[in-house]
Amino acid sequence: KQEVTQIPAALSVPEGENLVLNCSFTDSAIYNLQWFRQDPGKGLTSLLLIQSSQREQTSGRLNASLDKSSGRSTLYIAASQPGDSATYLCAVITGGFKTIFGAGTRLFVKA
Amino acid sequence: DAGITQSPRHKVTETGTPVTLRCHQTENHRYMYWYRQDPGHGLRLIHYSYGVKDTDKGEVSDGYSVSRSKTEDFLLTLESATSSQTSVYFCAISEEGTGYTFGSGTRLTVV
Repeated sequence: KQEVTQIPAALSVPEGENLVLNCSFTDSAIYNLQWFRQDPGKGLTSLLLIQSSQREQTSGRLNASLDKSSGRSTLYIAASQPGDSATYLCAVITGGFKTIFGAGTRLFVKA
Repeated sequence: DAGITQSPRHKVTETGTPVTLRCHQTENHRYMYWYRQDPGHGLRLIHYSYGVKDTDKGEVSDGYSVSRSKTEDFLLTLESATSSQTSVYFCAISEEGTGYTFGSGTRLTVV
């Protein structure tokens, strides 16, 4: 059974810091991995989608990597800003509609 | 999110009454999903659809039914609402090889 773990559960950093969020999964047989952000009381906004044949994706200050052999994905946020404060979730898409979401990392960026 | 809307955004209902939530998409995506999100449980799949009139159960389907009579609409019905169904409900869509796009959510309170 696929299990998805996100560490840390919460993180507080000063503005301008570069940071890494982690997503670990137990079964390397995945189709895609997707990163989302969720603001309080809001829906999930897609940040990056990494297909199984890819190793990373970049969008602006965000970079996500995928290492299936080690069961790990990381989301790198460069030069963090207070507006980056949100909960970040990873979703491991394994096909057969068995997408497993991590519990999320709550990020707070202090001005 | 653009291309997917949920209604209503908020609803308060009494125990024992039926409730229907609507998800509408304009992306012509084949796959549609209903999730609920609760503190401590994360996102859990209720039902999903892989085409018109083609639906199946997720991990927490008891007490819920769905219907999809058109590609663009996916309805979630709580047959007889209970307090344990108080939650935030999210609809999502996807297509082959793509990630998920989520709606803004419906906050349902059963009193």
